Amino acid sequence: QKEVEQNSGPLSVPEGAIASLNCTYSDRGSQSFFWYRQYSGKSPELIMSIYSNGDKEDGRFTAQLNKASQYVSLLIRDSQPSDSATYLCAENSGAGSYQLTFGKGTKLSVIP
Amino acid sequence: DAGITQSPRHKVTETGTPVTLRCHQTENHRYMYWYRQDPGHGLRLIHYSYGVKDTDKGEVSDGYSVSRSKTEDFLLTLESATSSQTSVYFCAISEDRSVYGYTFGSGTRLTVV
Repeated sequence: QKEVEQNSGPLSVPEGAIASLNCTYSDRGSQSFFWYRQYSGKSPELIMSIYSNGDKEDGRFTAQLNKASQYVSLLIRDSQPSDSATYLCAENSGAGSYQLTFGKGTKLSVIP
Repeated sequence: DAGITQSPRHKVTETGTPVTLRCHQTENHRYMYWYRQDPGHGLRLIHYSYGVKDTDKGEVSDGYSVSRSKTEDFLLTLESATSSQTSVYFCAISEDRSVYGYTFGSGTRLTVV
């Protein structure tokens, strides 16, 4: 069974610091990876997708993928209190796959 | 959550009663999904649809059925609700399977008493 593992946290970082969120996955066939942000009581919101090894940057967010080591990470630079949320990692096992498999999420708290 | 609406937003029902949750989209996406989210378990796929009248089971489909008679609507039915089905239910849509990720609806919080 495919698994996506995340540290549940909470991860606490001071405002302005870099928050580093990590995710490992079990399926070597996984091809697409996603980071969702979920505020308490709200629905998940897609914030980053990454498909190839290396880094992908979007504003304060950087996603990193290492397929050989089967991990994905999300860096949040200049963390803000508004970044406090649960971050979900998800993977898709290939172009023919309908399903995303989600990790249980890491709760991030940014302390002012 | 523009383009995808779930109803109702909250529901309390009694054990043994049937319950139907509705997901409506205006994006004309082919793929629709129902997930449930529970503490300690994360998001788990219940059923999904890859077209009108085309549906398949996910990992936690027992006790649930779905129907999709129109592109825009995907219904989730709990035939006889149990307390273990107390959860938050999310509908999601995608344009090309899961290649580009999903867009989620706002969710339905269901309590079975």
